[in-house]
Amino acid sequence: NAGVTQTPKFRVLKTGQSMTLLCAQDMNHEYMYWYRQDPGMGLRLIHYSVGEGTTAKGEVPDGYNVSRLKKQNFLLGLESAAPSQTSVYFCASSYPGQGAIGSPLHFGNGTRLTVT
Amino acid sequence: GDSVTQMEGPVTLSEEAFLTINCTYTATGYPSLFWYVQYPGEGLQLLLKATKADDKGSNKGFEATYRKETTSFHLEKGSVQVSDSAVYFCALSVITGGFKTIFGAGTRLFVKA
Repeated sequence: NAGVTQTPKFRVLKTGQSMTLLCAQDMNHEYMYWYRQDPGMGLRLIHYSVGEGTTAKGEVPDGYNVSRLKKQNFLLGLESAAPSQTSVYFCASSYPGQGAIGSPLHFGNGTRLTVT
Repeated sequence: GDSVTQMEGPVTLSEEAFLTINCTYTATGYPSLFWYVQYPGEGLQLLLKATKADDKGSNKGFEATYRKETTSFHLEKGSVQVSDSAVYFCALSVITGGFKTIFGAGTRLFVKA
């Protein structure tokens, strides 16, 4: 009963380094999302995908790229990490179906990223 | 634009006290409303939801009623336990300009034994 799995759980990067965060879901959900969580700011949407091969920008997309080559996976890339990208990153998925806006999000346990 | 405002924390209560966490929203469409809970080191998980006006969502003793006239979705519990200590997020989902979910800033709850 895995649900949404994120790897890695923790990572420390130096400024300018790159990395990819992986999200995998086994619920056959169409929609997937990447959020970042910062103290006092709730969750802010970085990018999202409404299906395999599609991606769209969210509220704070700058400095990030994403890909959804397979329905079950959603990758978040940082090409050149900056200290402002120090945050906890959450992946989520949902299956809107007919009751689209009533469908809840299912979250992974997060990746804590520190950029020094 | 669409937004969610919830009371700032932290909220500190003694066990068996009554809990209210206020949440108000602004939405251009007709949103669904949610409360999510986040325990330490974990992701958010759905606590309850309501999809239309006057609906009451409930789960694990928590309740919230969708009040369209006051654009509110306050979370309540009659008797909190130490195990309820967590961060609570109010959220809305709308389909205007694409499907999206917007979260409040979160309210941290501490319950003392």
